[in-house]
Amino acid sequence: EAQVTQNPRYLITVTGKKLTVTCSQNMNHEYMSWYRQDPGLGLRQIYYSMNVEVTDKGDVPEGYKVSRKEKRNFPLILESPSPNQTSLYFCASRGAGEGREQYFGPGTRLTVT
Amino acid sequence: LAKTTQPISMDSYEGQEVNITCSHNNIATNDYITWYQQFPSQGPRFIIQGYKTKVTNEVASLFIPADRKSSTLSLPRVSLSDTAVYYCLVVGGATNKLIFGTGTLLAVQP
Repeated sequence: EAQVTQNPRYLITVTGKKLTVTCSQNMNHEYMSWYRQDPGLGLRQIYYSMNVEVTDKGDVPEGYKVSRKEKRNFPLILESPSPNQTSLYFCASRGAGEGREQYFGPGTRLTVT
Repeated sequence: LAKTTQPISMDSYEGQEVNITCSHNNIATNDYITWYQQFPSQGPRFIIQGYKTKVTNEVASLFIPADRKSSTLSLPRVSLSDTAVYYCLVVGGATNKLIFGTGTLLAVQP
């Protein structure tokens, strides 16, 4: 089954404690993205990747890091989480062909206290 | 990047056809128009995409005028389960930088 998986689905942590949210896709997609979603602000792109070792900033990259060492994985790293990073996070992927369909993961609800 | 503008909310009744229009004035030649549906606390789900004229699939139709500066998602005979937020997103081929608009909250009543 074609899918994007994220782990963990729920995470409560404290300010300053480094964390990683994993994202994996099984569709051999070139393009991957991370979004955060906050009430009233919609979906905002954090980082995106066009292929292995090719990443770039989206609209709200501050406080986040990403890496793309393998095509299927695109982890999101919060080196020193702060309460303003409490949010719902989504990973997505799509192919580089003519189709523009993005496949989204189930989401990770992060709370930073 | 083409930014999009949609109505914040719409109301409908079961069985009606719903049309949601999106404005994307600075769409580029290679951009496609895509629409997504999102339920609370779930990831958006792809509905349909188009480049120009009309596209239809099993759940929706997408109408795009010749100038491509707007598009209309048409949902035939909506049901209560179609209550969701609908996003219009313009996607280029050579970039993955994407900007979602605020979306349209569609509320379907009995």
